[in-house]
Amino acid sequence: AQSVAQPEDQVNVAEGNPLTVKCTYSVSGNPYLFWYVQYPNRGLQFLLKYITGDNLVKGSYGFEAEFNKSQTSFHLKKPSALVSDSALYFCAVRALQSISGGYQKVTFGIGTKLQVIP
Amino acid sequence: EPEVTQTPSHQVTQMGQEVILRCVPISNHLYFYWYRQILGQKVEFLVSFYNNEISEKSEIFDDQFSVERPDGSNFTLKIRSTKLEDSAMYFCASRVAGVGYEQYFGPGTRLTVT
Repeated sequence: AQSVAQPEDQVNVAEGNPLTVKCTYSVSGNPYLFWYVQYPNRGLQFLLKYITGDNLVKGSYGFEAEFNKSQTSFHLKKPSALVSDSALYFCAVRALQSISGGYQKVTFGIGTKLQVIP
Repeated sequence: EPEVTQTPSHQVTQMGQEVILRCVPISNHLYFYWYRQILGQKVEFLVSFYNNEISEKSEIFDDQFSVERPDGSNFTLKIRSTKLEDSAMYFCASRVAGVGYEQYFGPGTRLTVT
């Protein structure tokens, strides 16, 4: 079964400092990896994804993430945090193809609350 | 920019009652999903739907749940006999066909079962 671990419930960072939100995954075969952000009382908003190719992917709002196959990680990063980045961040994984060949569900992590301090 | 919409935003119901949660996916999307998020917990997959049939469902999606795409635009989740533990945010999502495309989520329906 596929799974996602986000080891930190909350990450605090000062405005202007770089931020990292950690994610590791477990899946059979090659993964599709996603980051979503959730603002209060809102749905999940897509940030970026890794499918194949360059291990460093860039997404919305200046976020980027690095895929590391050997460490099965997909950490979310931003060089300079903004107060408006404060939100709940979800990492998600989907197998490239399920063992049965069918459509594979997306599994989400438990989420990490990012607090950017002015 | 096209969005997934959901109605109602908040539904309060009594235990044992049936509820229908409605979603309008993005118009050119072909894959549809329902997720739920119990307060303070992670987003959990319920069901995926493609070509007018369920393509995958989780162990949460038992016989009290059903989904339907009645008219080519709406995508509904029905809970036949609600329980207290069904109280959660329910998110609809959709995506285009093809490999690796991301899902777009609606704003959610908060279901409160009393």
